[in-house]
Amino acid sequence: NAGVMQNPRHLVRRRGQEARLRCSPMKGHSHVYWYRQLPEEGLKFMVYLQKENIIDESGMPKERFSAEFPKEGPSILRIQQVVRGDSAAYFCASSPQSLGETQYFGPGTRLLVL
Amino acid sequence: DQQVKQNSPSLSVQEGRISILNCDYTNSMFDYFLWYKKYPAEGPTFLISISSIKDKNEDGRFTVFLNKSAKHLSLHIVPSQPGDSAVYFCAASAGRSGNTGKLIFGQGTTLQVKP
Repeated sequence: NAGVMQNPRHLVRRRGQEARLRCSPMKGHSHVYWYRQLPEEGLKFMVYLQKENIIDESGMPKERFSAEFPKEGPSILRIQQVVRGDSAAYFCASSPQSLGETQYFGPGTRLLVL
Repeated sequence: DQQVKQNSPSLSVQEGRISILNCDYTNSMFDYFLWYKKYPAEGPTFLISISSIKDKNEDGRFTVFLNKSAKHLSLHIVPSQPGDSAVYFCAASAGRSGNTGKLIFGQGTTLQVKP
């Protein structure tokens, strides 16, 4: 029973480039959450998606960040024109159909912006 | 505005003894609480959870206690083992109250269990 999968595990970008992070939820899970962990901090919620819908993006920076969860394929977190402050670990979590259930996390993507 | 706080950045205990990790919250709408364990360079691993309608939940060596009046929860690990050494995050959600279920995390407590 495969868990939450994220790729790439490590991503290096230069300032101004684009970063694309992918997340495949656990089988049977239709809710996807993205979190960011900055160095020496806890995880911070970014966005919550269901298939083809963004449900809550209250934690997303207003510019340069976007997320999608298409009908087919993984969820994508996209960061345009990356800056050094975007360097962090980005974690995806998934949960079963109903709200208020336990979220299961992937291994994360560690983004380094040079 | 830190809605979930873990005031102890670190904790060191001897193998075989009890580890007690604490967490405080401020939002009375939280109705579901979770503890996650995290090793470096890995994602958080779910340990145990508790609904706000309960005050205790036990799973093997792990027990979570919830004191709603004090807005406080704790994780007890007994007996502690060296493999328990990791960062422990407390998280809270208001998902069952009709919100989106997003988790609010504390800053984490680093547990070291000495052999």
